[in-house]
Amino acid sequence: AQSVTQLDSQVPVFEEAPVELRCNYSSSVSVYLFWYVQYPNQGLQLLLKYLSGSTLVKGINGFEAEFNKSQTSFHLRKPSVHISDTAEYFCAVTKDYKLSFGAGTTVTVRA
Amino acid sequence: NAGVTQTPKFRVLKTGQSMTLLCAQDMNHEYMYWYRQDPGMGLRLIHYSVGEGTTAKGEVPDGYNVSRLKKQNFLLGLESAAPSQTSVYFCASSPAGGPHTRREQFFGPGTRLTVL
Repeated sequence: AQSVTQLDSQVPVFEEAPVELRCNYSSSVSVYLFWYVQYPNQGLQLLLKYLSGSTLVKGINGFEAEFNKSQTSFHLRKPSVHISDTAEYFCAVTKDYKLSFGAGTTVTVRA
Repeated sequence: NAGVTQTPKFRVLKTGQSMTLLCAQDMNHEYMYWYRQDPGMGLRLIHYSVGEGTTAKGEVPDGYNVSRLKKQNFLLGLESAAPSQTSVYFCASSPAGGPHTRREQFFGPGTRLTVL
């Protein structure tokens, strides 16, 4: 069975500082990987996805992620965060048409 | 184009009551899903459907039933609500077609359900 581990449940960060959210997945899953963001009291929105090709994936709002097959990781990064990036972030993997989510990482950006 | 919509947005039930959550999508997607979101557990798949008239169990199906009588709608039913079903419920849909497009899901805004 597939599994996704998000290594940090809470990440506090100062405005304009960089942030990295860590995600590891089990090697038995198909390598279709996603990061979703959930702003307070809203549904999930796709940030970026890795399906194939270049291992560095760029998404919306200045986020990017790198797929590392040997380390079975898909870490999300942003070089300079804004207050508006305060949200919960979910890493997810798919097998066939079913998504398996990590537990989520709450990012709190402080001025 | 409204995307994925969910009705209602909020609901409070007493233990033992029943209710139906409605999900509608206007993107002509083949696949539809129901998830529940609980703190510290991410989203867990309850049931899903790969097309009109089909349904299948997900990770946590007990206590829920679903129906997909029309392609655009996916209903989630609770026959006898329990406090353990207090959660935020999300519906999602995804298109059929090539393997890449099958795997991206589009989410509704969620329904917050409290069972007392």
